[in-house]
Amino acid sequence: EVQLVESGGGLVQPGRSLRLSCVGSGFKFDNYVMHWVRQPPGKGLEWVAGLSGKSLVKGYADSVKGRFTISRDNARNSVYLQMDSLTVEDTALYYCAKDDTGFGFDNWGQGTRVTVSS
Amino acid sequence: AIQMTQSPSSLSASLGDRVTITCRASEAIRNDLAWYQQKPGTAPKLLIHSASSLKSGVPSRFSGSGSGTDFTLTISSLQPEDFATYYCLQDSIYPYTFGQGTKLEMK
Repeated sequence: EVQLVESGGGLVQPGRSLRLSCVGSGFKFDNYVMHWVRQPPGKGLEWVAGLSGKSLVKGYADSVKGRFTISRDNARNSVYLQMDSLTVEDTALYYCAKDDTGFGFDNWGQGTRVTVSS
Repeated sequence: AIQMTQSPSSLSASLGDRVTITCRASEAIRNDLAWYQQKPGTAPKLLIHSASSLKSGVPSRFSGSGSGTDFTLTISSLQPEDFATYYCLQDSIYPYTFGQGTKLEMK
């Protein structure tokens, strides 16, 4: 059974940093692109970042480019999101998702909540 | 970035109704579009990928169509468990982008 478990969320002040983690199990981790998607309270989904299996191709939403960095450690079956220079607009539930390339985001974690507030 | 315009933003319908949700891309994305369903307090669930391919296990009352810039999600006969919020996602080119969502409510 595929499982994705996010961690690392919490309350952080504006301007500070936070690192999210997502551990995958039940599939060959390095075969899949992994993504981060976020959802602000009461609002819609926003794609944040994606990273290919061998870390060769990555992409970012315009709203986070230059502030967030996606990375992965395939030996640990983990993908990370380093979030710097956080603003209140980054407050959201952050999901990681497995991309069955060409077949959609077929598995999602339950999310980790990030609150940016002074 | 490619903009995804989803409509309507909300929709009231009754059990057994046929409903259609549309997404329009600001530029052509071939058939690189997926549809997701989200219920309150839960992660999104993939329904359809590649514009019209139903994910295994998803009921056949869900269908998708379209190519290029215009796409639709159709539910042929609403069931109680279908009342949720639906999102399209273009997965053609980075940055990927979601539509704004359609909240489907019971009339």
